[in-house]
Amino acid sequence: EPEVTQTPSHQVTQMGQEVILRCVPISNHLYFYWYRQILGQKVEFLVSFYNNEISEKSEIFDDQFSVERPDGSNFTLKIRSTKLEDSAMYFCASSGVYTGELFFGEGSRLTVL
Amino acid sequence: QQPVQSPQAVILREGEDAVINCSSSKALYSVHWYRQKHGEAPVFLMILLKGGEQKGHEKISASFNEKKQQSSLYLTASQLSYSGTYFCGTAPFTGTASKLTFGTGTRLQVTL
Repeated sequence: EPEVTQTPSHQVTQMGQEVILRCVPISNHLYFYWYRQILGQKVEFLVSFYNNEISEKSEIFDDQFSVERPDGSNFTLKIRSTKLEDSAMYFCASSGVYTGELFFGEGSRLTVL
Repeated sequence: QQPVQSPQAVILREGEDAVINCSSSKALYSVHWYRQKHGEAPVFLMILLKGGEQKGHEKISASFNEKKQQSSLYLTASQLSYSGTYFCGTAPFTGTASKLTFGTGTRLQVTL
């Protein structure tokens, strides 16, 4: 069964450092997303991406965040200068056109010290 | 604005039924239900679209009251595998999940 894969599974970084989280969406999907979940809390939308551009973003997704699809398979989330409050599980998801069903990856846990 | 779920938590014995509610102050075009087991990613359960079309899988059902801006998820004859946190999500565009806003979650525990 096709799945969304994410790397790394866990990253520890110092405050102020740049972090790149990587995702490989399901190959025939066209919509890509990043969500995050602070420990024990709800899943929060960050950004959606379609046709090589951002289609929606939340208030959380400020200038320190960026997304990119550098090639035909990877989808990345960059956090330029990490803060303590960026510590969370970051989920990548993808969906087919008009289905609405999101397929989530296993997540990348980011710990900012 | 996030949808509100109730109850926040529920404990069931195997075989019992449960209802999880989701309500929104905004007009709902679609409601999505996901289940997340501890330490895992959310898994899609069902989508309900404005106009009554329903999609989903597994032996779990749901209703969508557009006028009341509410949705309910029905879990009947619960199994141990139903344990987890259930999230409803609302999206602004019918049938797509361009910006899915999740509720606070309902923690369900099924015991023997």
